[in-house]
Amino acid sequence: GEDVEQSLFLSVREGDSSVINCTYTDSSSTYLYWYKQEPGAGLQLLTYIFSNMDMKQDQRLTVLLNKKDKHLSLRIADTQTGDSAIYFCAEFRDNYGQNFVFGPGTRLSVLP
Amino acid sequence: DADVTQTPRNRITKTGKRIMLECSQTKGHDRMYWYRQDPGLGLRLIYYSFDVKDINKGEISDGYSVSRQAQAKFSLSLESAIPNQTALYFCATSRTTLNEQFFGPGTRLTVL
Repeated sequence: GEDVEQSLFLSVREGDSSVINCTYTDSSSTYLYWYKQEPGAGLQLLTYIFSNMDMKQDQRLTVLLNKKDKHLSLRIADTQTGDSAIYFCAEFRDNYGQNFVFGPGTRLSVLP
Repeated sequence: DADVTQTPRNRITKTGKRIMLECSQTKGHDRMYWYRQDPGLGLRLIYYSFDVKDINKGEISDGYSVSRQAQAKFSLSLESAIPNQTALYFCATSRTTLNEQFFGPGTRLTVL
């Protein structure tokens, strides 16, 4: 099947902004999601954006959606060491049994 | 208390053995999912169930089977485990597909 793509690693300094990028494939995807996985834990929903939106902001998190390029990004302002985790982009596909397709995950390392 | 629990949390087994991974939820959700996570590949859907009488194959169902014993329980079986089934397995639930998925803590399975 067609993939959701993300870069696998990102390192930033504490206090800087982090930008995690994702490209998806289904132009009819209704919702796009960002999940966070901390070491030894399952995934937790961070935020999501509906496909008719361009941007969504939630405290330190900003999600940008470019539907034309099928590009989704997650910006974390003032990145903290507690933000170190794996971040997964996911799209909801109507034509895939109405299920989610996840990217490979981006491992964010926050350096002191 | 965790809303989605998985047992066991870790399992080491030998090639050819039958293994069952169990998932229980107290969220009252109809929809349950089994995923496997491999480094660099993200989460891939194995099976999903939209209610007790509904079972569907996901992207990578070969070598796996499932049973939805009740709304709250969804088990995954490996009839004859093989080494390339070594992975981290996650159970998830959701009220509807478009809503947030809630993940269990994962089961780390090693097949020798």
